[in-house]
Amino acid sequence: EAAVTQSPRNKVAVTGGKVTLSCNQTNNHNNMYWYRQDTGHGLRLIHYSYGAGSTEKGDIPDGYKASRPSQENFSLILELATPSQTSVYFCASGSGTEDTQYFGPGTRLLVL
Amino acid sequence: GDSVTQTEGLVTLTKGLPVMLNCTYQTTYSPFLFWYVQHLNEAPKLLLKSSTDNKRTEHQGFYATLHKSSSSFHLQKSSVQLSDSALYFCALSDHDSNNRIFFGDGTQLVVKP
Repeated sequence: EAAVTQSPRNKVAVTGGKVTLSCNQTNNHNNMYWYRQDTGHGLRLIHYSYGAGSTEKGDIPDGYKASRPSQENFSLILELATPSQTSVYFCASGSGTEDTQYFGPGTRLLVL
Repeated sequence: GDSVTQTEGLVTLTKGLPVMLNCTYQTTYSPFLFWYVQHLNEAPKLLLKSSTDNKRTEHQGFYATLHKSSSSFHLQKSSVQLSDSALYFCALSDHDSNNRIFFGDGTQLVVKP
């Protein structure tokens, strides 16, 4: 089974602080994705990547940056965290359009 | 652009009854449809998928048929169990979607004893 891990699993940050969420996959998938999920809402795409060195904006990129330094790793960066970014963040990997996306366990972020 | 509509936000049923969760989609390209399931405090995971018109796809007692004529991919089960309580997402991709998936808003299924 495909494996996606995320760190940290829980994070408390202060408003205006910098937060980095990390994701690692051992599936050798080209594509990686960052979503956020708020209570009562679905999955909203923040950024995604086709491979090392590439990042693309999703539907809600404002306030977030992404970095894909290698095939295995994809980071989500909040340069100036705000309380509105309190959410659960999921990373996923996949190999193509018709293929399954495999999700990590999620990171709960609380911005105070 | 591509989109997915799930009309029910919450479905509450008694154990043993049948269920159908609605999913319709919009795309101008040949679609790939998915159902993902997310149990409480867990990550979403694939339940089933299809790109073949009018062919029933089954997994773990759930089934769905892609109907391109009506742009639908409804999820069904003949007898729900307590363990089926979860959030269900319908999702769409196609060869023009740049390897991304478009998720519906999800349907929360609650199964009562």
